[in-house]
Amino acid sequence: KAGVTQTPRYLIKTRGQQVTLSCSPISGHRSVSWYQQTPGQGLQFLFEYFSETQRNKGNFPGRFSGRQFSNSRSEMNVSTLELGDSALYLCASSPSHRGNYGYTFGSGTRLTVV
Amino acid sequence: GESVGLHLPTLSVQEGDNSIINCAYSNSASDYFIWYKQESGKGPQFIIDIRSNMDKRQGQRVTVLLNKTVKHLSLQIAATQPGDSAVYFCAEIYSGGYQKVTFGIGTKLQVIP
Repeated sequence: KAGVTQTPRYLIKTRGQQVTLSCSPISGHRSVSWYQQTPGQGLQFLFEYFSETQRNKGNFPGRFSGRQFSNSRSEMNVSTLELGDSALYLCASSPSHRGNYGYTFGSGTRLTVV
Repeated sequence: GESVGLHLPTLSVQEGDNSIINCAYSNSASDYFIWYKQESGKGPQFIIDIRSNMDKRQGQRVTVLLNKTVKHLSLQIAATQPGDSAVYFCAEIYSGGYQKVTFGIGTKLQVIP
């Protein structure tokens, strides 16, 4: 059974650009969550999607957005990149957004903004 | 200016010794707990979990203890090996309604050969 797949693994962007990251959950998992991880802040919750609907959202500016497709694959977009957006972006999938199933993480996308 | 970073607690352990990593959780209603291991440059990896109706669960070389009275979780690693060097963090999950998960800041385990 394939795990959570995130692409690309590494990305370098310039300030002001926008970026789209992709996440394919474990087959059968319908909930996808996104996290930003930095040495300064640890794991920060961005948002969670289930059945193509955003179910929960963290405290990030509107430059951070996401979506989920009918096959449960998810993308997150960051517009007008800032230096502080440099981080490891992690995607985690779960069978559902209800109940206690826990999360399985992908390997992350390392975004560097220069 | 100088940036202030999150300084992870660090535990240094001699190879072969046992390691104990602690985590204090915040929500007394949390009913599911997971320990994750994150190696440098990789995503967090599931190690072991425990539900709130248990106080101890054992895996291969790892044991998780749950003390709901003081909202404390610990991970014990037996016969620590160099490959155990990583950041370990706990997750508390409340499953009432939407699954809500909160992650601890993590502890860095350094195994001294």
